[in-house]
Amino acid sequence: DSGVTQTPKHLITATGQRVTLRCSPRSGDLSVYWYQQSLDQGLQFLIQYYNGEERAKGNILERFSAQQFPDLHSELNLSSLELGDSALYFCASSGKTQYFGPGTRLLVL
Amino acid sequence: AQTVTQSQPEMSVQEAETVTLSCTYDTSESDYYLFWYKQPPSRQMILVIRQEAYKQQNATENRFSVNFQKAAKSFSLKISDSQLGDAAMYFCAYRSHVNAGNMLTFGGGTRLMVKP
Repeated sequence: DSGVTQTPKHLITATGQRVTLRCSPRSGDLSVYWYQQSLDQGLQFLIQYYNGEERAKGNILERFSAQQFPDLHSELNLSSLELGDSALYFCASSGKTQYFGPGTRLLVL
Repeated sequence: AQTVTQSQPEMSVQEAETVTLSCTYDTSESDYYLFWYKQPPSRQMILVIRQEAYKQQNATENRFSVNFQKAAKSFSLKISDSQLGDAAMYFCAYRSHVNAGNMLTFGGGTRLMVKP
């Protein structure tokens, strides 16, 4: 158990819809990273938050947004969903090493 | 930008034998971290081993060890006494030490099959 929690584990939704993925980092970790794992793009960094502030952005679509709350949990919001957004979304929290949550499997039909 | 390349999409090893997974990376930085992560069928990402670039000594964790060649920008993973539970996707990853973002850059992965 990495100590990073993610909910929900699975999500099935339709195109055009909006979903929210939630992540709680390990106790004491201030950084949260979001990654997307899809079949054709591999594992890609989306966005990082550190103690409530956005720290770095990767290949994150404009339809996607994230935030980190005062209790350090983070939410990734995906809107106007397309079939190609179907993927496994990971959250990781970090000191020197990034530890990953179990992921949320998103299926857009 | 840094890139990570895993040239072996699939590897196979006999149980109890030794296998080496390859990884090369490209960077202009001198201080960074390298990782191997294991992803079993459950899809959980599990840290296998970490190497800090400033350390010349190769990292080891039980049956797992690395061969870190900084000048060649090579970072291979050796699994000794392979077990059925080692069957998984293995990802090599790079993380900058100085970059403010410190995000991981992953290779494309190597699927390891272990034959009984």
